[in-house]
Amino acid sequence: SQQGEEDPQALSIQEGENATMNCSYKTSINNLQWYRQNSGRGLVHLILIRSNEREKHSGRLRVTLDTSKKSSSLLITASRAADTASYFCATVFYGQNFVFGPGTRLSVLP
Amino acid sequence: EAEVAQSPRYKITEKSQAVAFWCDPISGHATLYWYRQILGQGPELLVQFQDESVVDDSQLPKDRFSAERLKGVDSTLKIQPAELGDSAMYLCASSTPRDGYYEQYFGPGTRLTVT
Repeated sequence: SQQGEEDPQALSIQEGENATMNCSYKTSINNLQWYRQNSGRGLVHLILIRSNEREKHSGRLRVTLDTSKKSSSLLITASRAADTASYFCATVFYGQNFVFGPGTRLSVLP
Repeated sequence: EAEVAQSPRYKITEKSQAVAFWCDPISGHATLYWYRQILGQGPELLVQFQDESVVDDSQLPKDRFSAERLKGVDSTLKIQPAELGDSAMYLCASSTPRDGYYEQYFGPGTRLTVT
C-alpha cells in the first residue's frame, strides 16, 4: 500500500496565485521528497527535506515538514501556466526505500 | 546533463504476447528502479537493483514479469504473457548518494497498451 497520501487530488488556480498541496504519511521517515510529472513524461525531482528539518526553500517552492503530525506541504508561489503538472510526494524510510503517493494534479489557468 | 534513457517510448501489443523494455541509467548510478504507473496514480515499485543484484522485487508479479541487470549497467524488464491489466506507464529511475541522501532520476517512460 502507498505510504504518502496527497491532498487535494486535483487543484485548479489562476496564474499568479499560490498553490498548496499536502502529503500525509503513516510511519517514521528518513526524508521526504517532492517530484513533478508533466503529462506523459517521467518524474522530475523538485526538493528534498530531511526528517530533522522543518522548512526548506528552493526558488518559488517552499516545503514544510511536521514529523509530529506526519505531514508535509508544498507551496508554489506566483504560479505559472508551466507549473501545470502532477505533483507527488515520496516518503523515504531508509536509504533508498521510496514510496510515492497518488499525486495532486495542478492546473494553472492563464 | 546526463539522463536516464528508455526504449521504446510507446508499445502496443496483443494480450498473451511477450514485451520487453530497456533502460540505461545515468553513468555511475549503482541503483536502478523499475516502476509501474497506472493512469492517475503514483508510481509503484516493481524491482530495485543495486549494481547487478536485486534488492527488492516483492511487488514484481514473478509469474509473468522478469527483470535483469546483468553487468550492473543497463536493464531489461520483460512481461510474458502480457495481460490487459498490464497497460500502464513503465518508468525506470536511477540514483546515487549525495550528502548521504538519494534522489531519483527518471527516464521518459514506456507507455504500454495491451489490446
